[in-house]
Amino acid sequence: DQQVKQNSPSLSVQEGRISILNCDYTNSMFDYFLWYKKYPAEGPTFLISISSIKDKNEDGRFTVFLNKSAKHLSLHIVPSQPGDSAVYFCAIKTSYDKVIFGPGTSLSVIP
Amino acid sequence: GAVVSQHPSRVICKSGTSVKIECRSLDFQATTMFWYRQFPKQSLMLMATSNEGSKATYEQGVEKDKFLINHASLTLSTLTVTSAHPEDSSFYICSATDRGGARQPQHFGDGTRLSIL
Repeated sequence: DQQVKQNSPSLSVQEGRISILNCDYTNSMFDYFLWYKKYPAEGPTFLISISSIKDKNEDGRFTVFLNKSAKHLSLHIVPSQPGDSAVYFCAIKTSYDKVIFGPGTSLSVIP
Repeated sequence: GAVVSQHPSRVICKSGTSVKIECRSLDFQATTMFWYRQFPKQSLMLMATSNEGSKATYEQGVEKDKFLINHASLTLSTLTVTSAHPEDSSFYICSATDRGGARQPQHFGDGTRLSIL
């Protein structure tokens, strides 16, 4: 059973608009969440993280929101740029340092 | 920032060959490294946790005799796919955490594309 879910396999957004990628998790004990960006034939690149003591973390155009009661987090990218087109993975890091990835959402930013 | 180097980036070999993939942390020491596998259009699946100076810990369903892991130093872990077959063809990625701990993101290598003919 998937512990990290990304229900949208793909998303298309116009350049300049906001991209919102969603993620749900099953275990309320998870307390550190990450977003990675991945291009084909490359390893994932760390984007932004959030711990459970916060509900928002912002880094430039990227903001992650965490709703612990709903076990839901989202990544907002604004404004979206064509170079943001990639697969975005939501992930959680366990107390054993393991990272569990969601299935990913493929984002296409249309010029 | 933390850099993880993986080598080779691509391997094509015949069925029955054993293939070794190296993962190095370039500017930090990593007592723990991780090996993942990604099949086309799927997510990254953790295969095993590589511990410096001790045996690797394998995830359920991953054959430890098939995927040999050695973590002989604080900057190098190797994954050897023994007697590889076409179904082992995949994208293998390693990662490591700088200073460890739950509040540090893992940094990933660029992956190795393994194709078994």
